[in-house]
Amino acid sequence: AQSVTQLDSQVPVFEEAPVELRCNYSSSVSVYLFWYVQYPNQGLQLLLKYLSGSTLVKGINGFEAEFNKSQTSFHLRKPSVHISDTAEYFCAVGLNQAGTALIFGKGTTLSVSS
Amino acid sequence: NAGVTQTPKFQVLKTGQSMTLQCAQDMNHNSMYWYRQDPGMGLRLIYYSASEGTTDKGEVPNGYNVSRLNKREFSLRLESAAPSQTSVYFCASRLGINSYEQYFGPGTRLTVT
Repeated sequence: AQSVTQLDSQVPVFEEAPVELRCNYSSSVSVYLFWYVQYPNQGLQLLLKYLSGSTLVKGINGFEAEFNKSQTSFHLRKPSVHISDTAEYFCAVGLNQAGTALIFGKGTTLSVSS
Repeated sequence: NAGVTQTPKFQVLKTGQSMTLQCAQDMNHNSMYWYRQDPGMGLRLIYYSASEGTTDKGEVPNGYNVSRLNKREFSLRLESAAPSQTSVYFCASRLGINSYEQYFGPGTRLTVT
């Protein structure tokens, strides 16, 4: 079985500061990894995904994530955050099997203040 | 393309009432999913449909039923609503094998009093 742990439930930062949102996963088989963002009162939007290849993945809005197989981690980073990045961020794992659902972490709330 | 659409956006029910949440996608996706989102719990899978004509239970299926009406539509029914079903419900779809990400609808906020 697969599981996802997001190590911080809330991350407060000041505008233009760097941020890292941490995600660890557990799986006995190869998985694919995702970060989704949820702005207030909206659905989930895909930020980025790791399927294979380069372990550094770039996504939308200046975010990037690094896959580390030995540490089973997929941390999300942004060098300089904006007020508009305030949202909830979800890490998820998936399998390449027909129909299987994603397994989500509990989410990290990023609060950016000026 | 509208992507994944859900109706209604908001609903208030009394305990014991029934209702159906509707979901449709126009991306010709094979797989569809229903999740519920509760504070501090992330998203938990209720039911999914790997392809038209099939449905399977997820992590939290009790109190729910689903129907995959056709390739486009996947509905979630609460037969006798309970306060524990107060939540935000999201529908999602995925093209199929070798297409890994899911696309989400805007959600339905349900309150059961």
